[in-house]
Amino acid sequence: QQQVKQSPQSLIVQKGGISIINCAYENTAFDYFPWYQQFPGKGPALLIAIRPDVSEKKEGRFTISFNKSAKQFSLHIMDSQPGDSATYFCAANYGQNFVFGPGTRLSVLP
Amino acid sequence: GAVVSQHPSRVICKSGTSVKIECRSLDFQATTMFWYRQFPKQSLMLMATSNEGSKATYEQGVEKDKFLINHASLTLSTLTVTSAHPEDSSFYICSAKQGARTEAFFGQGTRLTVV
Repeated sequence: QQQVKQSPQSLIVQKGGISIINCAYENTAFDYFPWYQQFPGKGPALLIAIRPDVSEKKEGRFTISFNKSAKQFSLHIMDSQPGDSATYFCAANYGQNFVFGPGTRLSVLP
Repeated sequence: GAVVSQHPSRVICKSGTSVKIECRSLDFQATTMFWYRQFPKQSLMLMATSNEGSKATYEQGVEKDKFLINHASLTLSTLTVTSAHPEDSSFYICSAKQGARTEAFFGQGTRLTVV
């Protein structure tokens, strides 16, 4: 119930392509879904987040799509750049409970 | 976003000694702080949650006598790894949130190496 599943485990995309990372959850109590970007040796940085009352949120090249009925959400990175190469974690939250997905290592080839 | 500063970024200590890691919220009051441990190429493992002025709540399997957490003010939490052993070597990360706000912001992480 507390798990957040994330796929793929790793992703290789050409520069300019679209990177798509998917997450799924079980607990319907979750009401906040952030995505974090982590570079090696650094702490995760909040990238974008969504609440279940909207189906999509866009900030620059980053878009979250949210499907409440399927309990799934995804991160789309448009026009992917080599600088986007990092590990991405989805998370689900309610109250003080943050549950993180296992992460996706994204490599954007120049 | 809000800034959370974690110090030191790297520390090497001898086996059997203790090491303290600080986590500071620089521009907001962190009513709740979280401490995580992260192994290479793995996700974040929550160690404990602390609310300002209260005892930390530890996750199952985390030794509270070994990983001492203090959250005495709204801007500072510390994690002390006592009697460190090589198996405690890891990347430790804190995060902080303010009140009922949902956003949690992370520190830069601390790479602990016990030799």
